[in-house]
Amino acid sequence: DIVMTQSPDSLAVSLGERATISCKSSQSILFSSDNNNYLAWYQQKPGQPPKLLIYWASTRESGVPDRFTGGGSGTDFTLTINSLQTEDVAVYYCQQYFYTPWTFGQGTRVELK
Amino acid sequence: QLQLQESGPGLVKPSQSLFLTCTVSGGSISSSDYYWAWIRQPPGKGLEWIGDIHYSGSVYYNPSLKSRVTIFVDTSKNQFSLGLTFVTAADTAVYYCARRHHDIVTGSHKWFDPWGQGTLVTVSS
Repeated sequence: DIVMTQSPDSLAVSLGERATISCKSSQSILFSSDNNNYLAWYQQKPGQPPKLLIYWASTRESGVPDRFTGGGSGTDFTLTINSLQTEDVAVYYCQQYFYTPWTFGQGTRVELK
Repeated sequence: QLQLQESGPGLVKPSQSLFLTCTVSGGSISSSDYYWAWIRQPPGKGLEWIGDIHYSGSVYYNPSLKSRVTIFVDTSKNQFSLGLTFVTAADTAVYYCARRHHDIVTGSHKWFDPWGQGTLVTVSS
């Protein structure tokens, strides 16, 4: 199985400041044939299902604010939330869809400082 | 707008079987571009993919659960279902159904979107 490891487990950020979450995969999830990284990011607010934010590691889903940016390649990825808003308080998960079983990171909780 | 809704019992006794159904509305389950997935989340914990199925019958299971899981699709009802046998307290979780995107041309697997609201299943005597 491809193990996805996120860091930190939680972080507290002031309103308007930047939050950066790291996600590392135990093997490369870059497919050389199409040059795509098979990684998605989800946001989960309390009592709600996860919501897709980003796919192909850096493509923002329609309707997602542009303060959310995904980056990285191979085994190392980041999700950056620029200018954190109150509605961004949530748990964020990365997920690989390169190879079954599809696996998620353990989640990173983003809170307001 | 596609919507998914899970249904099934909220309480299951240990050693019995869990059975859930996901009803898809606002779109057809018989689309080549999607698989239909089950994912679970124990209280306060992370996400675990259980398995997913294409309307054609192609199915993937998580090896960690494969011996106890069956997923099947009913295209006439636009539903897909999950069966999990010999449940224990470790199977207590919110169970989500979701659509997994898939490129029928290239065979590339993709992300989960959208998700149902989830249903809590508690395993307890």
